[in-house]
Amino acid sequence: AQSVTQLDSHVSVSEGTPVLLRCNYSSSYSPSLFWYVQHPNKGLQLLLKYTSAATLVKGINGFEAEFKKSETSFHLTKPSAHMSDAAEYFCVVSENDYKLSFGAGTTVTVRA
Amino acid sequence: SAVISQKPSRDICQRGTSLTIQCQVDSQVTMMFWYRQQPGQSLTLIATANQGSEATYESGFVIDKFPISRPNLTFSTLTVSNMSPEDSSIYLCSVKLTDTQYFGPGTRLTVL
Repeated sequence: AQSVTQLDSHVSVSEGTPVLLRCNYSSSYSPSLFWYVQHPNKGLQLLLKYTSAATLVKGINGFEAEFKKSETSFHLTKPSAHMSDAAEYFCVVSENDYKLSFGAGTTVTVRA
Repeated sequence: SAVISQKPSRDICQRGTSLTIQCQVDSQVTMMFWYRQQPGQSLTLIATANQGSEATYESGFVIDKFPISRPNLTFSTLTVSNMSPEDSSIYLCSVKLTDTQYFGPGTRLTVL
């Protein structure tokens, strides 16, 4: 069975400072892992994905994530937050290439 | 990627009525999915809809409540039947292209 735990329900950062969103997963197989972002009243947008290639994955808008099998983690980072990064972020795991399991989400607030 | 549209974008309905949500994608896809996002919560998969076969429902979701049609490779509908206030949610469709799922903008449903 697959599952995802997002360790922080809410993260608040100042503009220009680093952002770290933590995600741990549980999977019986070699999973695919994704981060999606949802801006208020908008749909889900794919930020990045890991599918058993390079363990450090670069995504859009300056985000990146590192797959660490030994720690079963897939944390999302960005070196410098921007006001437009304020949104809901979902860590997602997939074992069988179609069924996605979503984490509970992390709300990011960016202070000016 | 894929461009996905949904109609309606939002609706307010009376309890006991039904609403049909449409999902249109700009390319032919085998697998389409319907998700529910209850207020303040993460996404839950309702069902998988493959063209030419009956939809496959996840635990807790039944065809009588959420009938799905998949008449061709670019279109699907989800009906929310006999609605109650507990059905107030955002309903999203998604499609799978290669190893990634892409999501529509969602339909925000409020049941009074």
